[in-house]
Amino acid sequence: EAQVTQNPRYLITVTGKKLTVTCSQNMNHEYMSWYRQDPGLGLRQIYYSMNVEVTDKGDVPEGYKVSRKEKRNFPLILESPSPNQTSLYFCASSLSPLYGYTFGSGTRLTVV
Amino acid sequence: AQSVTQLDSHVSVSEGTPVLLRCNYSSSYSPSLFWYVQHPNKGLQLLLKYTSAATLVKGINGFEAEFKKSETSFHLTKPSAHMSDAAEYFCVVSNYNQGGKLIFGQGTELSVKP
Repeated sequence: EAQVTQNPRYLITVTGKKLTVTCSQNMNHEYMSWYRQDPGLGLRQIYYSMNVEVTDKGDVPEGYKVSRKEKRNFPLILESPSPNQTSLYFCASSLSPLYGYTFGSGTRLTVV
Repeated sequence: AQSVTQLDSHVSVSEGTPVLLRCNYSSSYSPSLFWYVQHPNKGLQLLLKYTSAATLVKGINGFEAEFKKSETSFHLTKPSAHMSDAAEYFCVVSNYNQGGKLIFGQGTELSVKP
């Protein structure tokens, strides 16, 4: 089944403890992106990648890192999480932005 | 700059009646437009997309949308609502920059009464 898989689905962590949210797609898509969803602010792009080893900042990149060593994987790294990064995170992939993105099921992160 | 405005934050219909969710867009060039649906505690699912082919676009689950350039609108419709349609709906435009960044509307919550 064609899909974007994120792990974990739920995560509670403490301030400053490094964490990684994994994202994997099995559709051979070149484009991948991370979004966060917050009440009142909607969905905002964090980082995106147009191919292996090609990544760039979105609208809200502060406090996040990404890597794209393989086409299928696009992990989101929080080196030192803070409470303002408590949010619902979505990974998405696309063959071409013209055709829309396929989203993962989301990761609900709570930083205390 | 591109943007989308969803004209209703909440729409309530009765089961079996038509659904209309309104969306206006702003774009300096021919846009790629989408409707996504988000059920509670679920991810975002693509309902349909407009990419400058036919102006009437058919999607999944009986939804369709009509692209009207003169009105800069892309309203989502369904002839007959089902209880399972209750969810949040997002009108989205794709920015050709930033890796095809998706610009989301504020969302419309659809309630379906029995």
